[in-house]
Amino acid sequence: AQSVAQPEDQVNVAEGNPLTVKCTYSVSGNPYLFWYVQYPNRGLQFLLKYITGDNLVKGSYGFEAEFNKSQTSFHLKKPSALVSDSALYFCAVRDEGGATNKLIFGTGTLLAVQP
Amino acid sequence: GAVVSQHPSRVICKSGTSVKIECRSLDFQATTMFWYRQFPKQSLMLMATSNEGSKATYEQGVEKDKFLINHASLTLSTLTVTSAHPEDSSFYICSASGGATGNTEAFFGQGTRLTVV
Repeated sequence: AQSVAQPEDQVNVAEGNPLTVKCTYSVSGNPYLFWYVQYPNRGLQFLLKYITGDNLVKGSYGFEAEFNKSQTSFHLKKPSALVSDSALYFCAVRDEGGATNKLIFGTGTLLAVQP
Repeated sequence: GAVVSQHPSRVICKSGTSVKIECRSLDFQATTMFWYRQFPKQSLMLMATSNEGSKATYEQGVEKDKFLINHASLTLSTLTVTSAHPEDSSFYICSASGGATGNTEAFFGQGTRLTVV
C-alpha cells in the first residue's frame, strides 16, 4: 500500500536560514507526490507536485522539492525562510489503487520560523 | 490554480440537529470530490469519495447514514452531518478534481469548523 512518512513533527528555523521539511514515500509503481501547506483554521493550499521529469520541482512561494528515487524521498526546501512560512506542511502521494486524485497524507510537519 | 469554495467556514449547532456543508468548484467541473476530517494537530482522514451522479464511496469506519454525501452536479457536493453529537465536532475539508485541472491534483476548500454543543 502507498504511504508517506514525515519523520519530524516540528521543524524550527531562524528567519533567513534555509529550511528543509522531510518526506519519504512508499509506492509500488511510479510515485505522484505532492506538498500542501495549511494555515490555522484554513484548508490546504497546493505548493508543488512531482509527476515525472526533472527531479527538482519548483513551486509556489519560493518552495521547491527534490525527488530522490534511490532514497525514496521528496523533501521540501526553501533557500531563505520567512516568518510567514510558519504553518503546517503535508506531504501526500496519490493512491494508485483507488479513485483518481485520492491522496494519502503524511502526518504533517509544523514549521516554525523565528524572527 | 482552481478555486474550491466551502461554506460555512464555521458552524455551531445543538446536539441532535443536522448540519449541511457545501463544497463548490467555482471555475472547473469537479468529476470527483473528497471529504476529509481533521482532528486537532493531526493529519487529514479521508471520509469518502464522491463522483458526480453516483453514490459516494465511504472509507472503512465512516458511518454512511451519519455522514450523508450528495454530489448532484459537477460543481457542488454536500456533506450533511445528521443527528450531530459533540464527538462530531471537528474540522471538515473538501477537495475537488477534474476538468481543466487534469487528473493529477486536487484543490481544497477552506474547511468548516463544526462545533456541536
